[in-house]
Amino acid sequence: NAGVTQTPKFRVLKTGQSMTLLCAQDMNHEYMYWYRQDPGMGLRLIHYSVGEGTTAKGEVPDGYNVSRLKKQNFLLGLESAAPSQTSVYFCASSYSISGYGYTFGSGTRLTVV
Amino acid sequence: KQEVTQIPAALSVPEGENLVLNCSFTDSAIYNLQWFRQDPGKGLTSLLLIQSSQREQTSGRLNASLDKSSGRSTLYIAASQPGDSATYLCAAIQGAQKLVFGQGTRLTINP
Repeated sequence: NAGVTQTPKFRVLKTGQSMTLLCAQDMNHEYMYWYRQDPGMGLRLIHYSVGEGTTAKGEVPDGYNVSRLKKQNFLLGLESAAPSQTSVYFCASSYSISGYGYTFGSGTRLTVV
Repeated sequence: KQEVTQIPAALSVPEGENLVLNCSFTDSAIYNLQWFRQDPGKGLTSLLLIQSSQREQTSGRLNASLDKSSGRSTLYIAASQPGDSATYLCAAIQGAQKLVFGQGTRLTINP
């Protein structure tokens, strides 16, 4: 009964370092998303995927890359971390184009120093 | 561009009261309107989804309404309990599986 699992839960990076956040879902959902949540800004969509092998840009894609090589996994990469990328990152998935079954992971708290 | 606003940003009420949380959106061309709950340090949990053709949706003590023409949705919580304390977010669902979130209302229920 895992739902959406995100790893790691916490991470501290130095400016310029790279890392990958992993999201895994076991519900056979077609659609997957990466959001960031910042105080005063709410949740903003970074990238999303409508199926295995597909990705698309969201509202704030700059500085991030994603891949969806397997249906159950959606990876978010930061090639050269910047302090502005300090945030809480949430992965989500859904089975419906209109939002049904929307399930969120518990988040990754990333600090870039 | 869709903008979603939630008022108030924070609300504190005594246990047992009925309360209403407000959500407004600027573009009425939405698929659905969804309400979520977020506990501190946790992810979001879906509470209710109202289809664009519906006027309201109910689950237990929760009732959500939708008025597309005025760009408003409300979440009604009956007989509030301390366990209802959390941040409540609404989101407008517009095409390409994208949700546009409000900034949330932080609710505190005092025993």
